[in-house]
Amino acid sequence: KQEVTQIPAALSVPEGENLVLNCSFTDSAIYNLQWFRQDPGKGLTSLLLIQSSQREQTSGRLNASLDKSSGRSTLYIAASQPGDSATYLCATSQGGSEKLVFGKGTKLTVNP
Amino acid sequence: DTGVSQDPRHKITKRGQNVTFRCDPISEHNRLYWYRQTLGQGPEFLTYFQNEAQLEKSRLLSDRFSAERPKGSFSTLEIQRTEQGDSAMYLCATDSLSRREQFFGPGTRLTVL
Repeated sequence: KQEVTQIPAALSVPEGENLVLNCSFTDSAIYNLQWFRQDPGKGLTSLLLIQSSQREQTSGRLNASLDKSSGRSTLYIAASQPGDSATYLCATSQGGSEKLVFGKGTKLTVNP
Repeated sequence: DTGVSQDPRHKITKRGQNVTFRCDPISEHNRLYWYRQTLGQGPEFLTYFQNEAQLEKSRLLSDRFSAERPKGSFSTLEIQRTEQGDSAMYLCATDSLSRREQFFGPGTRLTVL
């Protein structure tokens, strides 16, 4: 059974700082990995999708990496802004099942 | 706005009542998912449709829960005889077989009194 863990559970940084969010998973036989952002009381916004054959994906100030062999992914946010404040979730999908398995998320606060 | 819509956005009901939620997917997506999220947790998978066929169900989906996607377009999730433990955010997501990037709707917040 896949388990996804995100560390830290919460992170507070000053504006402008570069930061890294971590995601680990127990079963490396994943199909892909997705990073999401969730604002309070809202649905999830897809940020980046990394296929199992890829090592990283970039979108604007965001860069996500994937190391299947070690069961880890990181989300790098450059030059953080107060508008980046949200909960960030990672999720994996595996062969044989189409569902996503989520971590509990990292709550990010960027202080002006 | 991802293009996935859910209705209603909020539902307050009394214990024992039945409730039904609707999800309208992105038009070109033939796969549809339902998840449930409680406070401080990540979403948990409930069920998955490809076109009108329900292909996977979680053990979380007790016999009080039923989901349909009659014409392979919109989907409904019904909860019968609601319990206080059913209080949660119910999220719908859709994707295509070719890309498998799931896009989520805004969710339906259910409160059972």
